[in-house]
Order: sequence, then C-alpha cells, then structure tokens
Amino acid sequence: DQQVKQNSPSLSVQEGRISILNCDYTNSMFDYFLWYKKYPAEGPTFLISISSIKDKNEDGRFTVFLNKSAKHLSLHIVPSQPGDSAVYFCAASARNQGGKLIFGQGTELSVKP
Amino acid sequence: DSGVTQTPKHLITATGQRVTLRCSPRSGDLSVYWYQQSLDQGLQFLIQYYNGEERAKGNILERFSAQQFPDLHSELNLSSLELGDSALYFCASSPPSATNEKLFFGSGTQLSVL
Repeated sequence: DQQVKQNSPSLSVQEGRISILNCDYTNSMFDYFLWYKKYPAEGPTFLISISSIKDKNEDGRFTVFLNKSAKHLSLHIVPSQPGDSAVYFCAASARNQGGKLIFGQGTELSVKP
Repeated sequence: DSGVTQTPKHLITATGQRVTLRCSPRSGDLSVYWYQQSLDQGLQFLIQYYNGEERAKGNILERFSAQQFPDLHSELNLSSLELGDSALYFCASSPPSATNEKLFFGSGTQLSVL
C-alpha cells in the first residue's frame, strides 16, 4: 500500500522556468510533509517542509503548497537552475502514528540550460 | 556532509550470504532509521531505534535485523541474502528534540547480491 505517491518519474524543464513536482497521499492522519533532494551517490537532503496547519511555505526559490482536502502537495521551484537537477522525494509523517517518514517513489528533475 | 556515516559504501556478495551494514549517527542524535531503496522504488522504511531501543518497525523482512549500541551506532544485519535484496540501504538520524521527523541521511551502502 503506497501511502505517498509521486506519479511522475521524471520531469524536464528549461532553465529559468518554473518546475512543479507533485505528490499525493492517502493517509488522512499525515500532519507533516517534507521534500528531500537527492544527487547521485549521495543521501537525500532535506529541502523544505510544511505542517498540516498551513497551506503554503516558502524558502527562497522553493515553495511547497498543501491541499489537505485533495490530499495533494506540490513543490514549486522558481526560477529553475541546472543545479536543481536531482531526484526529489516527497515524504509524510503522522505524529500519532510514531512520526516515521513515509516516502514517495521520487521524481527525477532535469533542468536544461 | 550530513554528519551521518555509513560503511561500507559498496558491498558485493553472493546469494545465501550474510552481511552487516554500519551506521554512525550525527553527534547528539539519539534516533537511527534504516531505509531501503530498490530500483524504481521510493525509500522504504525498515526500522527505527531510539537510544538503543527499537521504536518502530516497517517493511523489514525476518531475515533482516538491526540493533543500536550504547555508543548509538547502529548495524543492519541481512542474512540468507537473495537477488532481490540488492538495493541502496540508507541510514538516517534525527535530533532528540525533534517533534517531527526531519531526518539527516548518510550516503548509503550499495548492496549487490550476485
């Protein structure tokens, strides 16, 4: 049972344009959501997070949007840069279920110059 | 550098064998998590330890076991290995005060079972 889904395995965007990565979840008890970025031969690194009490969180070029009624979140990167090319994982946790992170399958973003 | 150290980086072994993966968490972190990333799969949660005690269990096979030692390093033991166990195994740690699980990951151990 995949509780967190990233339905797009890959995304290609032109440098300077917006990248939008999507994530859907099924567990309504999830109350904390995170995005991680992973380069080849490295472990995932934390990028940005959002609590379920918010619908938007911004950090520089990165913004995460949460739509609880649709059980959907998205990561916007504006403007996209070649250095953003990586695999992006969406993750979710439920504090009353132990708080462990459940990850999606990842979306590989390629930003072309 | 996340501060989480995993050894070895690569491991090649044969079916039926047993291997041990090692993880040292960031200084001060009490929680250690193990995740498995197979081809086309996301990061599958295996198990969590907190200050030496098992805290949560995920999709961990009975052939796999883990422990966390008094110095807080952790080992993941994989036995009776099968071809399907070939994967990238990540260890992560989190601060003791975290109410939400923001994890810091090591660079992983790539296991190849031939």
